[in-house]
Amino acid sequence: RKEVEQDPGPFNVPEGATVAFNCTYSNSASQSFFWYRQDCRKEPKLLMSVYSSGNEDGRFTAQLNRASQYISLLIRDSKLSDSATYLCVVRGGGTSYGKLTFGQGTILTVHP
Amino acid sequence: NAGVTQTPKFQVLKTGQSMTLQCAQDMNHEYMSWYRQDPGMGLRLIHYSVGAGITDQGEVPNGYNVSRSTTEDFPLRLLSAAPSQTSVYFCASSYLTSDPYNEQFFGPGTRLTVL
Repeated sequence: RKEVEQDPGPFNVPEGATVAFNCTYSNSASQSFFWYRQDCRKEPKLLMSVYSSGNEDGRFTAQLNRASQYISLLIRDSKLSDSATYLCVVRGGGTSYGKLTFGQGTILTVHP
Repeated sequence: NAGVTQTPKFQVLKTGQSMTLQCAQDMNHEYMSWYRQDPGMGLRLIHYSVGAGITDQGEVPNGYNVSRSTTEDFPLRLLSAAPSQTSVYFCASSYLTSDPYNEQFFGPGTRLTVL
């Protein structure tokens, strides 16, 4: 079983749609959680961190359920510019020195 | 700040050739790491370093060597390239703190093809 698993996608949605991505992780000792965005042939960039209480940044809402080891990302009112690959990322605890574990990514395409 | 820089952007090697992928950061980050990204696999950690003179293996270290002689630089060496090493390589860096939400910053990547 992969340490971090995401919806396989791809997701193809019209502008203005709401889309949700899900992710599960296997290491219950994981300390912190993130969604990264990766544009085609570019490096991953931090979209948002995911906190236990849930958090929102404009049109983006992230949720964390530690008991179920589940992370989600909701994008409201999708824009063409949201088209990208979304990576679920988990950071280990203890002496992992900040080791990040990545899901395989979910491709989102927003069309007119 | 230039952030994290990587050279070259693209490289084509023949099987058995050696080369070094360069990575540098100007943010005085203690932690530096190398990942490879393959289709459908996500990013996988190759090697990492928590400071000058200290390196350790990640998930997929075979075929790669690293060293960290300065805080700024963290080169990745392929001693004898194999087609299985065709991939996109990303270098990343961050501060080494107790904050688990400390952000890692990624370089633009090197696309390597081994024929």
